Amino acid sequence: GAGVSQSPRYKVAKRGQDVALRCDPISGHVSLFWYQQALGQGPEFLTYFQNEAQLDKSGLPSDRFFAERPEGSVSTLKIQRTQQEDSAVYLCASSSPRGGPADTQYFGPGTRLTVL
Amino acid sequence: AQRVTQPEKLLSVFKGAPVELKCNYSYSGSPELFWYVQYSRQRLQLLLRHISRESIKGFTADLNKGETSFHLKKPFAQEEDSAMYYCARRGTSYGKLTFGQGTILTVHP
Repeated sequence: GAGVSQSPRYKVAKRGQDVALRCDPISGHVSLFWYQQALGQGPEFLTYFQNEAQLDKSGLPSDRFFAERPEGSVSTLKIQRTQQEDSAVYLCASSSPRGGPADTQYFGPGTRLTVL
Repeated sequence: AQRVTQPEKLLSVFKGAPVELKCNYSYSGSPELFWYVQYSRQRLQLLLRHISRESIKGFTADLNKGETSFHLKKPFAQEEDSAMYYCARRGTSYGKLTFGQGTILTVHP
């Protein structure tokens, strides 16, 4: 079946531009996570949704970062007034319908954002 | 704060040699630990989790609470094992993961 998909796969933005990154989770998955992966580092947690509810946004680095999942499926991560330090791969992951702690997170291919 | 440490950025071995990728975690309660792998041009995927006590692709990992370690081992490395490996810890009831910095494993023919 289809896995987690993300679009665009690559995004180049000029400093100050707004960007929107999309994640399509596996159908029926309750939990959705966003992670940021800087070059040479492991992924770092940004935010978590359970269905449409954003239950944890403690990892968002600034108020320029905003995420939504209005209908409990597709999610969008928006970054306003991008800065060079926002350059990273943004990963989306979803986990199974049970939504419990033992679920495996399935990752998308990521969106590589480069801010010039 | 919970931390996961992978002390080796790079690890090179020859085909058929044993391999051990190190992972240490900061002590806190009953950890749930995982190894994720990313092969070239592929997405991040789960390799194994400590709670399952399984062997995947010949890899095993034992949780050592005394040493707060979860090292990944394989007795005979294969070229197809070359990849980036991440150790990760589940930190909350809903499953938020904290990752180590990753180790690039290269298996030479």
